Amino acid sequence: SQQGEEDPQALSIQEGENATMNCSYKTSINNLQWYRQNSGRGLVHLILIRSNEREKHSGRLRVTLDTSKKSSSLLITASRAADTASYFCAFLNSGTYKYIFGTGTRLKVLA
Amino acid sequence: DAGITQSPRHKVTETGTPVTLRCHQTENHRYMYWYRQDPGHGLRLIHYSYGVKDTDKGEVSDGYSVSRSKTEDFLLTLESATSSQTSVYFCASLGAGGNTGELFFGEGSRLTVL
Repeated sequence: SQQGEEDPQALSIQEGENATMNCSYKTSINNLQWYRQNSGRGLVHLILIRSNEREKHSGRLRVTLDTSKKSSSLLITASRAADTASYFCAFLNSGTYKYIFGTGTRLKVLA
Repeated sequence: DAGITQSPRHKVTETGTPVTLRCHQTENHRYMYWYRQDPGHGLRLIHYSYGVKDTDKGEVSDGYSVSRSKTEDFLLTLESATSSQTSVYFCASLGAGGNTGELFFGEGSRLTVL
């Protein structure tokens, strides 16, 4: 399967703590993106990191990419209850426009 | 946000019946995608389109066909629905930026096959 694997599958933390989720993939990629899905809704784009970048920040989000290990991580700092959602990595197989998604991490932030 | 609408949003059907799900976008995006979402599997690509009348298979295309006769519409058809096709289906279109663009998603179509 070309699908990405994410871990943990589920994560429960207290408000104010940091949340880290990881994505591993098997193919060569052009870029890697992270998406968020609130329960019962469509996915929303969070951040993109290109294959020649190692780290990127956006507000409380920090993404890293290690192409040698074919892995990426998403860190959400100072989490809030409103961050409760599922998070997915997504990537393009190089040379195609097939966007492949990871299996997702369900994050629950307790107030 | 890109205007992407899916219809129907909910459908219950019986095994063996044909089903068509419609995705409509108003952003003139070239690339469009159909995914299914099942617990434990995340989103899996069924088919995608890279232009009018141009489509290609994804990871889980068996039992599904697609058509794109206009830029704005991408149809997903289950010729003979099976219980294994009970799922939530998401359509997406790729925004400007080519391979660095972001995907814009519809709200999903929940299909139950009895």
